[in-house]
Amino acid sequence: GQNIDQPTEMTATEGAIVQINCTYQTSGFNGLFWYQQHAGEAPTFLSYNVLDGLEEKGRFSSFLSRSKGYSYLLLKELQMKDSASYLCAVSDNTDKLIFGTGTRLQVFP
Amino acid sequence: IAGITQAPTSQILAAGRRMTLRCTQDMRHNAMYWYRQDLGLGLRLIHYSNTAGTTGKGEVPDGYSVSRANTDDFPLTLASAVPSQTSVYFCASSRLAGGGYNEQFFGPGTRLTVL
Repeated sequence: GQNIDQPTEMTATEGAIVQINCTYQTSGFNGLFWYQQHAGEAPTFLSYNVLDGLEEKGRFSSFLSRSKGYSYLLLKELQMKDSASYLCAVSDNTDKLIFGTGTRLQVFP
Repeated sequence: IAGITQAPTSQILAAGRRMTLRCTQDMRHNAMYWYRQDLGLGLRLIHYSNTAGTTGKGEVPDGYSVSRANTDDFPLTLASAVPSQTSVYFCASSRLAGGGYNEQFFGPGTRLTVL
């Protein structure tokens, strides 16, 4: 079956660093996406990994290990506005996105 | 219009009624998708369309139908709504149907309550 696991909730302090993990088992792999979703809003694209390694984009970085079926999203210099849900999604062999249930991150002052 | 829009924003519907959720994109994207998002279950694909004139079933298609008469519009119809269809519905689109990098852009969502 297809399965994507990520923690349900995480908390962190403003200015800190947080790592959100995602493990997956899917039928095929055509890339892994991270989306951010603020409460009551639509998901918005953060990052895409298809090769092993780290992709850095400003305060956000995303890492992929295909052999381990593992990814993480790293958020640095946390700000209050980073309080949101972070969705891990894998593009499978049908090129459809399989979403995890999301990780709700709360940033405290 | 800029991007992808959905209508209505929210709706309360009596069980047994027919309802169509509208989705329009102006990005000339080939592929479009309908998801539902429920607490604890994440986003689940209902139906998709890789290009105008074609549609396919996703993970949870029962009770829903779609059509794709042109590139821009992808309506989702609930023929006879049931309370278990209470959810937030997101429409999304992507430039291509597959083949690697295929970022999906999401509409603002429709919050549907079936009583």
